[in-house]
Order: sequence, then structure tokens, then C-alpha cells
Amino acid sequence: QVQLQESGPGLVKPSGTLSLTCDVSGGSISSNDWWSWVRQSPGKGLEWIGETDQSGSTNYNPSLKSRLTISVDKSKNQLSLKLTSVTAADTAVYFCARFALTIFGDLYYYYMDVWGKGITVTVSS
Amino acid sequence: IQLTQSPSFLSTSVGDRVTITCRASQGIATFLAWYQQKPGKAPNLLIYAASTLQSGVPSRFSGSGSGTEFTLTISSLQPEDFATYYCQQLHSYPYSFGQGTKLEI
Repeated sequence: QVQLQESGPGLVKPSGTLSLTCDVSGGSISSNDWWSWVRQSPGKGLEWIGETDQSGSTNYNPSLKSRLTISVDKSKNQLSLKLTSVTAADTAVYFCARFALTIFGDLYYYYMDVWGKGITVTVSS
Repeated sequence: IQLTQSPSFLSTSVGDRVTITCRASQGIATFLAWYQQKPGKAPNLLIYAASTLQSGVPSRFSGSGSGTEFTLTISSLQPEDFATYYCQQLHSYPYSFGQGTKLEI
């Protein structure tokens, strides 16, 4: 079964770039699924960051779009996230997740069925 | 699209029937999922398409609703169900989550 594992620096300086990767095992990132990032600030709820598919198509949260790049590396079976010009407000646990799809008639239902364990990123000097 | 869950906190007991409500600021048909999150863990998918139980999730969990009002029901609360529950809309970008409902003993 598909498993996801996030990795990257746990500490990023203000105004720097947050770079994370998500290794996909037990399946291929080149499948028809979409792949997403979600974050959770300390003591807060969940925030959808954005998503990509194996063709490189992306959808981003407008609140982060100007600073955000999400991509896939098929050769490494890996998802990545880059967030520039970070501030303390970007301190959070970052999760990668798979968007699975079920079709009921002519309706396409997406949902996040597999998640990584999450990685804590702190923005501080 | 804003999702508002109620209540935000709920004191409950083992064996209780629990209902959590999620209201959307505009109609989302049945493009809604429910997740359970325990401290220090990733969310776990319970229900998608508003009422379809994810494989492996106990049948005491059920979901209903369409349009702007949805409910997650736990028919008989078990000790492992004390957690925070989130709804998520997948109708329009940006996908959004409710603020969460924490079940406490």
C-alpha cells in the first residue's frame, strides 16, 4: 500500500525558503492521483496548501500562491514543496497526502486517503 | 468556502451517541469529507462524498447531508474515538477545512 514520508529542514530563517520533499513508496507518483500538501499551525486547524498531478498541473491556495511551488519528480517518485519569503506565520506541521478519486455516475469525488506522518517546520532566526 | 463546525468542544462519555455538524457558506452538493485526528498524528479519513464510509473505518461512524449542512455521527463512542474531527469541502478551490471539533472525556 502507498506510504508517504516527508523530509526537510526543521528550522528555516525568516525571509528564507522552506523546501520539503515527500517520498512515495508502495506506489507510483506517476499514477492518475493528485498529490497535496496540508499544514497545521501550532494549536490550530488544517490548511490546504495546494496540489499537483504527475503531468505538472497545479492548484494553489490563493493565500500562498505568490510564494509557492509544488512539483513532482518522477525519477525519484517524490513530491516537493517550496515556499519562499517565509515568516513566523509559516511555522507549522506540514503533511503530504494523496488525493484518491472515486467516480459515482458522472460525479468525481476526491479525498485525502493516505497521509504522511508530518514534519514540523519552525521559522525563526 | 467557509466551513463552520459545531460544537467546537464536546464533553462526552464512552457509549454516548455523538453528532457533529458542519455548515458550508455555500452549497457544495456532497463534496465533503470527514477526518479524525489524534494528537501528534496525521488526519485519518473517515468518510468521503458526505456519506461513504472509507474502507476499514468502523461502522459506528456515519455521515449525512448535502448542500450546506452535514453531520458526522458516532453511534456509540469508544475510548479510541476521543480525538478532533474535521470536515473538508472538495467542491471548489481553495479546498478548506472546518475549525475542528474536539471530543473530550
